[in-house]
Amino acid sequence: AQSVAQPEDQVNVAEGNPLTVKCTYSVSGNPYLFWYVQYPNRGLQFLLKYITGDNLVKGSYGFEAEFNKSQTSFHLKKPSALVSDSALYFCAVRDVGYSTLTFGKGTMLLVSP
Amino acid sequence: NAGVTQTPKFQVLKTGQSMTLQCAQDMNHNSMYWYRQDPGMGLRLIYYSASEGTTDKGEVPNGYNVSRLNKREFSLRLESAAPSQTSVYFCASSEGLAALNEQFFGPGTRLTVL
Repeated sequence: AQSVAQPEDQVNVAEGNPLTVKCTYSVSGNPYLFWYVQYPNRGLQFLLKYITGDNLVKGSYGFEAEFNKSQTSFHLKKPSALVSDSALYFCAVRDVGYSTLTFGKGTMLLVSP
Repeated sequence: NAGVTQTPKFQVLKTGQSMTLQCAQDMNHNSMYWYRQDPGMGLRLIYYSASEGTTDKGEVPNGYNVSRLNKREFSLRLESAAPSQTSVYFCASSEGLAALNEQFFGPGTRLTVL
């Protein structure tokens, strides 16, 4: 079975500070990992993905994520948060042999001015 | 290039009524998906279609049916709506089921069942 956990319902950070949104996963094989963002009253938008290769993945809007196999984590990071980064962030995983993604419950990121 | 479009945007139904949610994509994608989003539950897959002519159940298929009308269109039908189906429904598409392919999402349909 494949599963993903986002341990924080909400993350609060001040503008200009670094941000981290946590994600851990459970798979039986090698994982494919994704981050999506949802702005209010919109559909999800793709941010970045890890398929194979370099453990540090760079994506849209200055976001990056680090794949850590030993800790089964794929945390989303940004060096300097913007108020406009405030949104709902979803981590998703797909195990080898599975056809579809499993999404986490989402983490609300609130960036204060 | 509209991407993924969904109709309607909002709908209110009474228990027992039926309705069909429409989804279309103009990216020539092979695979399409229906999700529901509920507070604290994240996104859960209802049904998906790997390619034109095929459909498969996802995590929460009970109470729903789907039709892959052609390559562009994938509809979701509620035959007898229940209050538990109150949710926001998202359609998505991707080039294929391969893990490399990210999914593109529509704007959603907010459904309330009274």
